[in-house]
Amino acid sequence: GAGVSQSPRYKVAKRGQDVALRCDPISGHVSLFWYQQALGQGPEFLTYFQNEAQLDKSGLPSDRFFAERPEGSVSTLKIQRTQQEDSAVYLCASSLAVLGTFGSYEQYFGPGTRLTVT
Amino acid sequence: GENVEQHPSTLSVQEGDSAVIKCTYSDSASNYFPWYKQELGKRPQLIIDIRSNVGEKKDQRIAVTLNKTAKHFSLHITETQPEDSAVYFCAASKGNTPLVFGKGTRLSVIA
Repeated sequence: GAGVSQSPRYKVAKRGQDVALRCDPISGHVSLFWYQQALGQGPEFLTYFQNEAQLDKSGLPSDRFFAERPEGSVSTLKIQRTQQEDSAVYLCASSLAVLGTFGSYEQYFGPGTRLTVT
Repeated sequence: GENVEQHPSTLSVQEGDSAVIKCTYSDSASNYFPWYKQELGKRPQLIIDIRSNVGEKKDQRIAVTLNKTAKHFSLHITETQPEDSAVYFCAASKGNTPLVFGKGTRLSVIA
């Protein structure tokens, strides 16, 4: 079946612009994660949803970052007033299991959105 | 919170040799340890994982070992091939919670 998809794949924004990044998880996956990957580094957690509930947003670097998943499937990560330090690859991952259950923990990643802020 | 250390940061091996990448974690409550392979410009791809109730898991040329007492786990790749060249990331989590990743190991397999 289809994997996790993300759009756009590449985004160039001028400093101060707002951007919206979309994630389509694997159908039926309950959990959805956003990660930020800087060049040459491992992914770092931003926020996590279980269905439409945002259970953890402790990784969001500032209040300019906002994420939603209103119907429990597609998610959008929005960055307001982009800054150069926001330049990174934004990865979305989905998982079948729910928090606290002994289930399938595997997280499957999308191809990412490479954001460049000029 | 959890902290994952990964070594080495770069590793070069001759084709056919074995490669070993090691990770340590700090939170004894972590119970799920996946390994991801990431080729340049591509998504991280899950290659193997292990849970804390298992000491070792093998899948063809890839194996992972876990030492809960010492809080470390390792990836072993045998009979390496040029297509194994990539960046490998270890990670840890407490079940279905956000993954905490190591900084990655760039593996180069020299033909």
